[in-house]
Amino acid sequence: DVVLTQTPSTLSATIGQSVSISCRSSQSLLDSAGNTYLYWYLQRPGQSPQLLIYLVSNLGSGVPNRFSGSGSGTDFTLKISGVEAEDLGVYYCMQATHAPFTFGSGTKLEIK
Amino acid sequence: QVKLLQSGAALVKPGASVKMSCKASGYTFTDYWVSWVKQSHGKSLEWIGEIYPNSGATNFNEKFKGKATLTVDKSTSTAYMELSRLTSEDSAIYYCTLFPYWGQGVMVTVSS
Repeated sequence: DVVLTQTPSTLSATIGQSVSISCRSSQSLLDSAGNTYLYWYLQRPGQSPQLLIYLVSNLGSGVPNRFSGSGSGTDFTLKISGVEAEDLGVYYCMQATHAPFTFGSGTKLEIK
Repeated sequence: QVKLLQSGAALVKPGASVKMSCKASGYTFTDYWVSWVKQSHGKSLEWIGEIYPNSGATNFNEKFKGKATLTVDKSTSTAYMELSRLTSEDSAIYYCTLFPYWGQGVMVTVSS
């Protein structure tokens, strides 16, 4: 199975600070058709995960543009440019290029 | 809009089975794969498997073969997951998802 390693596991940020989360895959997530099925989700306390980014760098519907995704192959990054209080929660990367689909271990964002 | 409404929490005894539901609305139920995801307390997410309602075809994470059974009722646009031979390791929240849309989750507690 593909292992997604997220770092850091915990992130503490002040309002307005910019932060980045890394997601490294044990295998390339580029498929034979040239697609990279790498997603980013935010799970707020007590809620279901919600999509932030799809296909590495595409912003989900209704997601603020302070969120951005980048990367290729095995290395991916989620950046939040100017953290807001509502951004607290656990961030997960997920890959759907290889079966079984797998998730990273999560990055907990705390607001100072 | 797409909605996935899951059944309520369940308290079940070790060795028993539990069946949960996921009622879909807002899209053509038979056209999209429905996945199921497990989240143990305070932990990350595990993809269990998926079902294609039109044909009933399924794909499973090897880890959950023999544990989970996926079915659908096309007449009511409802997907079901049954978990068998329950142990304390099966205590978790279970989500149905039509990526990127998620149900609210079902908490399953296995206890005597």
